[in-house]
Amino acid sequence: EAGVTQFPSHSVIEKGQTVTLRCDPISGHDNLYWYRRVMGKEIKFLLHFVKESKQDESGMPNNRFLAERTGGTYSTLKVQPAELEDSGVYFCASSLPPGQGTGELFFGEGSRLTVL
Amino acid sequence: GQSLEQPSEVTAVEGAIVQINCTYQTSGFYGLSWYQQHDGGAPTFLSYNALDGLEETGRFSSFLSRSDSYGYLLLQELQMKDSASYFCAVLSGAGSYQLTFGKGTKLSVIP
Repeated sequence: EAGVTQFPSHSVIEKGQTVTLRCDPISGHDNLYWYRRVMGKEIKFLLHFVKESKQDESGMPNNRFLAERTGGTYSTLKVQPAELEDSGVYFCASSLPPGQGTGELFFGEGSRLTVL
Repeated sequence: GQSLEQPSEVTAVEGAIVQINCTYQTSGFYGLSWYQQHDGGAPTFLSYNALDGLEETGRFSSFLSRSDSYGYLLLQELQMKDSASYFCAVLSGAGSYQLTFGKGTKLSVIP
């Protein structure tokens, strides 16, 4: 069974440009999360989808970040325009609902974003 | 809001036992998870405690006390490959089923 996959693995862009990160969750996982780790700090929550609906987007830092999950399958996270402080690793994770499993989130390998 | 506290760094000798503590404050608590991350790669799931007590999985064990809002990860027979960052994370239902991570504990295993 394929795990969570993310693309690209690494993106280098200039300040002001746009980047779109993609996440393909594990098939059948309705819950999809975006997290990011900046400068080796804690892994911080960005938002949570249940199928195609945004369940919680309280962690989104500002309106330069836009996440979508059309059709409830893969998700994209767009940063436009990118700023220097957006550099970090963006992780996607998927899971079954808490009552159906062990509470485990399955993480992708992350998309490293470097803004110059 | 939610907050978690865990030590930032721990060093231990190969073959020894190490305990990483985690205290948390949250509402709508479901359970406490532990994740391992090597060199900034994908965090990987180690354990999940929803009820009080000790859960053992091989060399790793995890403990939870809901009344004390406290848990720990116990690593036995440490190996060099256990050098990594370890994150405790609270699964809570405040608003949505959200996993909130602590800042991580960097474990260094030395010969």
